[in-house]
Amino acid sequence: DSGVTQTPKHLITATGQRVTLRCSPRSGDLSVYWYQQSLDQGLQFLIHYYNGEERAKGNILERFSAQQFPDLHSELNLSSLELGDSALYFCASSVGLYNEQFFGPGTRLTVL
Amino acid sequence: AQTVTQSQPEMSVQEAETVTLSCTYDTSESDYYLFWYKQPPSRQMILVIRQEAYKQQNATENRFSVNFQKAAKSFSLKISDSQLGDAAMYFCAYRRAQGGSEKLVFGKGMKLTVNP
Repeated sequence: DSGVTQTPKHLITATGQRVTLRCSPRSGDLSVYWYQQSLDQGLQFLIHYYNGEERAKGNILERFSAQQFPDLHSELNLSSLELGDSALYFCASSVGLYNEQFFGPGTRLTVL
Repeated sequence: AQTVTQSQPEMSVQEAETVTLSCTYDTSESDYYLFWYKQPPSRQMILVIRQEAYKQQNATENRFSVNFQKAAKSFSLKISDSQLGDAAMYFCAYRRAQGGSEKLVFGKGMKLTVNP
């Protein structure tokens, strides 16, 4: 157990819908990273927050957004869902900016 | 942009034998970190081993060791005395050491099968 929690574990929804994925980092960790794992794209970095501020963006679609709250948990919002958004979404956390990243168990999103 | 390449999509090894997983990367940075992550069927991403580019000594963690060739931009993982629990997807990953984004850049992964 890495200490990073993600909810829900599984999510099944329909095209056009909106969902929110939640991540609680390890106690004391200020950085939260979101990654997407899909069959065709592999593991890709989406976005990084550090102590509430957006630090870096990767190949994140405009339909996706994220935020990190004062208690340091983070949410990834996916809207106008398409079939191709079906993937495993990982959250990872680290103490600072250049420390080891610990991964959560992931949220499996299925868009039907 | 940094890229990580794992050219072998699948490998198999007999239990108790040794297997080497290959990885190459491309970067213009001189200081960075390299990682091997394991993803078993549970889908959890587990850090196996890490290597700092400034260190010449190859990292070792119990049965896992790396062969880091900085000039060749090669980073292979050797698993000794393979066990059934080693069966998983293995991902090679790169991260800058400082400045810019601290994101991990992953290879496509390699599926390792361990035969009893």
